[in-house]
This record gives sequence, structure tokens and C-alpha cells, in this order.
Amino acid sequence: DAGVTQSPTHLIKTRGQQVTLRCSPKSGHDTVSWYQQALGQGPQFIFQYYEEEERQRGNFPDRFSGHQFPNYSSELNVNALLLGDSALYLCASSSAGVLAGNTGELFFGEGSRLTVL
Amino acid sequence: SQKIEQNSEALNIQEGKTATLTCNYTNYSPAYLQWYRQDPGRGPVFLLLIRENEKEKRKERLKVTFDTTLKQSLFHITASQPADSATYLCVGPSGTYKYIFGTGTRLKVLA
Repeated sequence: DAGVTQSPTHLIKTRGQQVTLRCSPKSGHDTVSWYQQALGQGPQFIFQYYEEEERQRGNFPDRFSGHQFPNYSSELNVNALLLGDSALYLCASSSAGVLAGNTGELFFGEGSRLTVL
Repeated sequence: SQKIEQNSEALNIQEGKTATLTCNYTNYSPAYLQWYRQDPGRGPVFLLLIRENEKEKRKERLKVTFDTTLKQSLFHITASQPADSATYLCVGPSGTYKYIFGTGTRLKVLA
């Protein structure tokens, strides 16, 4: 059973360019969340997708957008890249929230390391 | 704003000792907290969840406590091993779908 897969693993862009990152959730999961993790920091919530809709968004500008496809895979797009967008971008999938007997565990991919020059 | 704070300084501990990591939360009352392990360049991996009405939760050599009075969770690893060296993240819910992560504490277990 494949876990969460992300692509590409590493990429280098220049300021002003656009980037698309991809994520396939764990089998059986219908919810995908994206996080940005700067060096030495904890992951910061970007947004969450469920049933092909953005369900909640964190404090990120509109340059960050996403999409979820009918097969639950997802894309994160970042436009007009800034140096500060350099980070590890993590995709996490889940199937249910924290209910009785459910840990609400997030399953993370290995991330996409974006460097903006 | 809601915050989860962890000691950002690395914790070095001798093999076989108990490692204790601290997580403090401010400006909110999470119904539960999760702990994750993250190795360099990898995604976080879930370890444990503890709910606000549970004082303690154990899993093998791991123990987590939740003190709503102190607004604090402690994460213990007993009989620590060099393989336990990693960054440990404390995570709390913010609303229905969002999680807040602490900055993580880097643990190094010395052989």
C-alpha cells in the first residue's frame, strides 16, 4: 500500500517564476492538506482540500492556490515566486477527523524541497 | 493568536536515559494534542494523540502527559537509543480542519 507520494522531490526556480507541486494521497484517504516548512520551523498550514473544494485556508497570500482532482490527488501552485517561498512543501492526507477512537493522524509525504534564487 | 511553543534548543541526552520534551500552548484550549517525529529532510510521522480528559498516554517506550492547568504537554522517551535522535513536533487543532505545529525540539541521543 503506497503512502503519500509527492513530486518533484527537489526543484530550483528563480524569483517571479511559477511552480506546481503534486501529491497523491494514501489509498483510501479523501482529504489533502498542504504545509510549508521553512528551515528550523514547524510546518505552517496552507490549505486543505476535500471533495475537490478548498475547505480551509491558512494565512497565505493568493499567490498560493491549489486543486484537488476526482481521484483525490492534489496540486499546489505558487505564482510570482519570492525568495521567502524557499521551503519544504509537505502534503498530508487523512480520512477522518479526531473522533472517538480515531487519532486524526496526518500521513505526510516526503515533501518537495523548493529553492528560489 | 493561538500558539504552540516548544524549546527550539537541541536536547542532548545519554543513551539509556529518559528524554523529556516540553510543549506549551497559549491563547487557546486544544481538545487534544498530537506528537510527531520528523527525521531530517523527511515528512513528520505520527506517534501519539492525547485528549484533554486524559492525563497520560503510553505507547511502548513513549509517554505523553497533558496538563490543562499548566497548558502543557510533556513527551517522554524512556531508555532512549541513538535511533530516537530526531525532531519531535507537538501539534494541536485550530478549528475543525487546521493544525498548528510547534517549531519542534531536536533530540540527540549520545551513544
